[in-house]
Formats: sequence, C-alpha cells, structure tokens
Amino acid sequence: EDKVVQSPLSLVVHEGDTVTLNCSYEVTNFRSLLWYKQEKKAPTFLFMLTSSGIEKKSGRLSSILDKKELFSILNITATQTGDSAVYLCACLYGGATNKLIFGTGTLLAVQP
Amino acid sequence: NAGVTQTPKFRVLKTGQSMTLLCAQDMNHEYMYWYRQDPGMGLRLIHYSVGEGTTAKGEVPDGYNVSRLKKQNFLLGLESAAPSQTSVYFCATLTFSEAFFGQGTRLTVV
Repeated sequence: EDKVVQSPLSLVVHEGDTVTLNCSYEVTNFRSLLWYKQEKKAPTFLFMLTSSGIEKKSGRLSSILDKKELFSILNITATQTGDSAVYLCACLYGGATNKLIFGTGTLLAVQP
Repeated sequence: NAGVTQTPKFRVLKTGQSMTLLCAQDMNHEYMYWYRQDPGMGLRLIHYSVGEGTTAKGEVPDGYNVSRLKKQNFLLGLESAAPSQTSVYFCATLTFSEAFFGQGTRLTVV
C-alpha cells in the first residue's frame, strides 16, 4: 500500500527559529510531491516538486525532493507566528491512476 | 480559493437522508478530487476524476458516489447518510504545476 509519512507530527518553536519538516513516501509510479499549508480552513498550495535536487523557494519557505531516497523536506527560516499551521505533504501517482494521497500533516506552533 | 467553489458550506442531515455536494471549477482542470478530513486522520481520498465522464475510487469510497458529467463540475453524493460520514469535505483540482482546494463543506449527520 502506498503511504505518505510526515514527521514530526507536531513541533513547537520560537519566532526566528528555522524548522525542517519531513515527508517520506513509498509510491509506485511516483509523479510529483506537493506541499500545502492549512490554517483554519482549506489547504493552500505551496510547492509542487517533480525533479530531484531542484530547490523551490518562496520567501522564507523552500523545499527539495530526493527521488532516490524517497523524501522531501520543507524548510521555513526566520519563523513567524503566522507560520503556525498544519503542513501537509501529498504524493501524486502517475500512470493510469493519478491519485493524490496525503500524509497526516505536521502541526507547527510558532511562539512569540 | 479562487476558481474552486463548493456548495453547500454547511449542512446537517438526519441518518438515512441523501444529499449531493457540488464542486465547481472555472480553471479547465482535468483532475478533480474529493476528500474528507477528520481529526487525527488527515485528508483521505474518497473518489476522484481524471477527466469528464471518468471517475475512480479512492481510499475510502464506501457510502459515496460521484459523477463528472461536465468537466467543470464534480458531484459527491451520499445516498443514505450515516453518523460516520460526519466530516469536513474538500474538493481539490490539479494541473501540472499547481493545485487548488475548495473552501470545504462541514457536514453533520445526526
């Protein structure tokens, strides 16, 4: 069964800290990995990663994919209280299915 | 999120009643997905569609049916609602470079 596993499950940091969130996967016909941020409502899209070793960056957030070791990391530098959220990782199957399967998320709390 | 609209936003059903949730998108995306989100369970895939007229089962399809008669609309039906279907339901669409979610439907079955 294909799984998407995120770690840690939860994390508490102080403003200004740098955090690294992990996502590992076991998917056949892997196509892409996606990161989302979820606050109180619907998840919002952050990144889609398809190629190994190419960093994607948006402000203080960055992410990279390692297709050999089957994992991705999401880095957040100089964290702010507004970064507090659940961060979700999802894997898109390729082939004939095109399923999009989510991990259970990492709950990040940034304290002032 | 702009471009993906879910209807209704809230609903309370009695056990055994039926209802349909509508997901409408105006971005011409081929892929559409229905998820349910429960505390501690994350987002679980119910059904999905890779194009007009096609549907497929996800991780937790039992008790639900779907249809995609038009490319822009993906409908999720509950034929006979059960309390176990109390959840927040999200629709998502996907392209080759980005993805969008609807704002969610909070469904309570009593």
